[in-house]
Amino acid sequence: QSVLTQPPSVSGAPGQRVTIPCTGSSSNIGAGYDVQWYQQLPGTAPQLLIYDNTNRPSGVPDRFSGSKSDTSASLAITGLQAEDEADYYCQSYDGRLSGSVFGTGTKVTVL
Amino acid sequence: QVQLQESGPGLVKPSETLSLTCTVSGGSVSAYYWSWIRQPPGRGLEWIGYVYYTGGANYNPSLKSRVTLSIDTSKNQFSLKMSSVTAADTAVYYCARVKASPIGETFDYWGQGTLVTVSS
Repeated sequence: QSVLTQPPSVSGAPGQRVTIPCTGSSSNIGAGYDVQWYQQLPGTAPQLLIYDNTNRPSGVPDRFSGSKSDTSASLAITGLQAEDEADYYCQSYDGRLSGSVFGTGTKVTVL
Repeated sequence: QVQLQESGPGLVKPSETLSLTCTVSGGSVSAYYWSWIRQPPGRGLEWIGYVYYTGGANYNPSLKSRVTLSIDTSKNQFSLKMSSVTAADTAVYYCARVKASPIGETFDYWGQGTLVTVSS
């Protein structure tokens, strides 16, 4: 079972800004471990979107941004586009479990 | 560009052992950690474990008793074995490269995934 909690879904109109929260605890995000975000387009493998809380790999548009505070993290998508419809997962390391944990996942719908 | 490709049977009988291999191209397995992650149909991602080129491994505590990860540097491959499978192990299995640091792990390259169905 996931130890990082995300809302099941968020939606927005084209051009709008949406945010996806990721809530953890003192054994993962709150312990200072970095947070990553992955985008999973329908029928495909997840792809790294944000690493080390705020960094974008080469090729990821700057419409995507990450932040982290205390025991939570957040992914923001500005200027929402139809191609952003996908599932998004946060991920961090958990010191109590001694391994990686993923968020429950959020489906983004562009209205 | 690093590429990963999973291979193995798509159908496994209950109580038997699931075996998958991930072949790495465009880079050497003799660096980084290498991981397996699975996703049951319509559900979220679950980390299974990772293996280092030395053969050392770390497992998800919930699966540790049934999982063995290994690596073959001569073939640039790493493998997953999961014993005593049940229908609950039906999932798409992904292999991925791990960039590890003292404060985190990043799965930066992923295979396309392979669906394994557990059924008699």
